[in-house]
Amino acid sequence: GAVVSQHPSRVICKSGTSVKIECRSLDFQATTMFWYRQFPKQSLMLMATSNEGSKATYEQGVEKDKFLINHASLTLSTLTVTSAHPEDSSFYICSARDSSPGPNQPQHFGDGTRLSIL
Amino acid sequence: GDSVTQMEGPVTLSEEAFLTINCTYTATGYPSLFWYVQYPGEGLQLLLKATKADDKGSNKGFEATYRKETTSFHLEKGSVQVSDSAVYFCALPAGGTSYGKLTFGQGTILTVHP
Repeated sequence: GAVVSQHPSRVICKSGTSVKIECRSLDFQATTMFWYRQFPKQSLMLMATSNEGSKATYEQGVEKDKFLINHASLTLSTLTVTSAHPEDSSFYICSARDSSPGPNQPQHFGDGTRLSIL
Repeated sequence: GDSVTQMEGPVTLSEEAFLTINCTYTATGYPSLFWYVQYPGEGLQLLLKATKADDKGSNKGFEATYRKETTSFHLEKGSVQVSDSAVYFCALPAGGTSYGKLTFGQGTILTVHP
């Protein structure tokens, strides 16, 4: 079945560091990918929609300069947390929707990245 | 706007017990409905889906039926196992589309004891 690979799975770094998270669709093309943030014991909060070849669409309240998104190909989107601080510590999850023709294509999720800022 | 409401958890069951996790929604039109499962420390996996009214999605012994009249998509399993312990999310595409971002319920934590 469809697989979405997210890397790295875990990051621990010092405050002020920038961290890049990759999301790859391994056996399908995805013109649209989504980035979510999940706090402990809470639901997923959509941060932004990543569109191949164009600017990402950010949800209200999400700082676009803080969370840089690049979707340079049909199989790769990256999220860069710039100058990360402890309050950015969270579980980040990406998802991708198969661009193949056909209705009701579900989203496929990566395994998430646990980001811990010291 | 579109929204999903799940029964509050956590839910704790003994092995082989019957499981029901309630999910109701409000949406424009008749969107596809999904159940996702998240095992500890992992991302989400699609558990099952239904694309139209009266459809029944099923997978791994779990079932959910798309009820238009009650705007519900309750998740059921006749006999749970310890390995079913996870967080379960009900979801639908935001804005009633079949391709857009997902709106999730708050999640229900299920713990199954031997």
